[in-house]
Amino acid sequence: DTEVTQTPKHLVMGMTNKKSLKCEQHMGHRAMYWYKQKAKKPPELMFVYSYEKLSINESVPSRFSPECPNSSLLNLHLHALQPEDSALYLCASSQALRLGKTGRNYGYTFGSGTRLTVV
Amino acid sequence: AQKITQTQPGMFVQEKEAVTLDCTYDTSDPSYGLFWYKQPSSGEMIFLIYQGSYDQQNATEGRYSLNFQKARKSANLVISASQLGDSAMYFCAVGRGAGGFKTIFGAGTRLFVKA
Repeated sequence: DTEVTQTPKHLVMGMTNKKSLKCEQHMGHRAMYWYKQKAKKPPELMFVYSYEKLSINESVPSRFSPECPNSSLLNLHLHALQPEDSALYLCASSQALRLGKTGRNYGYTFGSGTRLTVV
Repeated sequence: AQKITQTQPGMFVQEKEAVTLDCTYDTSDPSYGLFWYKQPSSGEMIFLIYQGSYDQQNATEGRYSLNFQKARKSANLVISASQLGDSAMYFCAVGRGAGGFKTIFGAGTRLFVKA
C-alpha cells in the first residue's frame, strides 16, 4: 500500500462549526505532515509529527488542532474557522530523510487533499 | 531563512521536446535535499526527483533529470520528450532540518504541453 488517504475530499463548514480532517497511511512512515495550499500558491507547512509526537508547529492559529492517535493516522481538528482558512489541506508522510545523500524515494507521499470551504 | 525562487510562472513546450524548469535556492544548512514535485489539476502532489546536497552527480528518474549546480545554488528540472500528461504545476522544494522534516516549496511553474 503506497497511498495516503484523506477524508473527506470536500468539506463546507460554517464559522461556528467543529469538524475534523482525517489522514491515513500504511507505509510504515513515521513522519506525517499537514500542509495548507491556497489557490495558485505553493503548499505551506503547518504541522509535522515524528513518531506520533508533534515536532514542528509553524505558528498555526489554535483554531487548527492536530492529533496523531497512532503511527498510521493523523487528524486535523477545526474549530471557529474564518473564511480565509478556505484552502486545500494536504496530508503527507515520509520516512525520516537523510538529507544530502544520494538515494531513491526520498520524497513525501501526499494525499489527494481536502478542499475546505468556510462560509 | 531559506528561500526558493522559481522565476517562470508559466512555460509552454511542444510535445516530444525537452523543457527546463528553473529553480534557485538559498539555505545556510550544510546538508539539505532538493526535490521536485508535480501537481496536476486534480490537486495531488507527486514526488518526481531528489538531489542530495553532497551528491556530485545529477539525479535522474526516467524522463526527469535534475541539473544541480551547487555553487550557483541552482536545481533545474529537465523533462525530456514532453508528453501531454506533463501539463501541470511543478514545484521545486528544499528539505532541511533533522529528519528532513521541514520541506519548503517554491512558488511553482505552470507547464503547458502543446500537441
